[in-house]
Amino acid sequence: GNSVTQMEGPVTLSEEAFLTINCTYTATGYPSLFWYVQYPGEGLQLLLKATKADDKGSNKGFEATYRKETTSFHLEKGSVQVSDSAVYFCALSRARDYGNNRLAFGKGNQVVVIP
Amino acid sequence: DAMVIQNPRYQVTQFGKPVTLSCSQTLNHNVMYWYQQKSSQAPKLLFHYYDKDFNNEADTPDNFQSRRPNTSFCFLDIRSPGLGDAAMYLCATSRDLAQGSDTQYFGPGTRLTVL
Repeated sequence: GNSVTQMEGPVTLSEEAFLTINCTYTATGYPSLFWYVQYPGEGLQLLLKATKADDKGSNKGFEATYRKETTSFHLEKGSVQVSDSAVYFCALSRARDYGNNRLAFGKGNQVVVIP
Repeated sequence: DAMVIQNPRYQVTQFGKPVTLSCSQTLNHNVMYWYQQKSSQAPKLLFHYYDKDFNNEADTPDNFQSRRPNTSFCFLDIRSPGLGDAAMYLCATSRDLAQGSDTQYFGPGTRLTVL
């Protein structure tokens, strides 16, 4: 089945540090890949997406590249701010292959940025 | 701005007392979803509507029902809330897959407390 794996545990880092959150997936065919961000007490906001191999999604200084050879979609940001503190979810959709738009989510990573 | 709106943002109910959560959208999307998200977990899909076609997930308890009276509105009814139903409930929408988009857009969520 389709699944997404995110690195274990919260991520704590200092302001202006480099952020990487690992995401790998298992799926046949050509899934779309997403990163969603959830601020405390809020719903999920789409951060970025990629729909085919080697696509790079980017938004608000965050980037992720769809790597089919390594089945990965790692999220990166060069210089984090305190306001980036949130939970980040990696997700995939097989809708374009099967017409069934169920999102498979990773477990999420809590990111805490310390001033 | 086109958006997904959920009301109320916070709902308190008593054990066994029926409760209804509402979702509306100005995106004119065909598909609407309801998710349950418990603390420190990823969202879990309960069901979705493709236009007026209702699609229930196999493991969604019978206690959860939904109505979609028109394109813009969708309701989640919990017939007899138990303590284990306390969670954040997220509504999401997406366009018709035939239009080539599989991105889901989420509302801010309703935090349900069961006393």
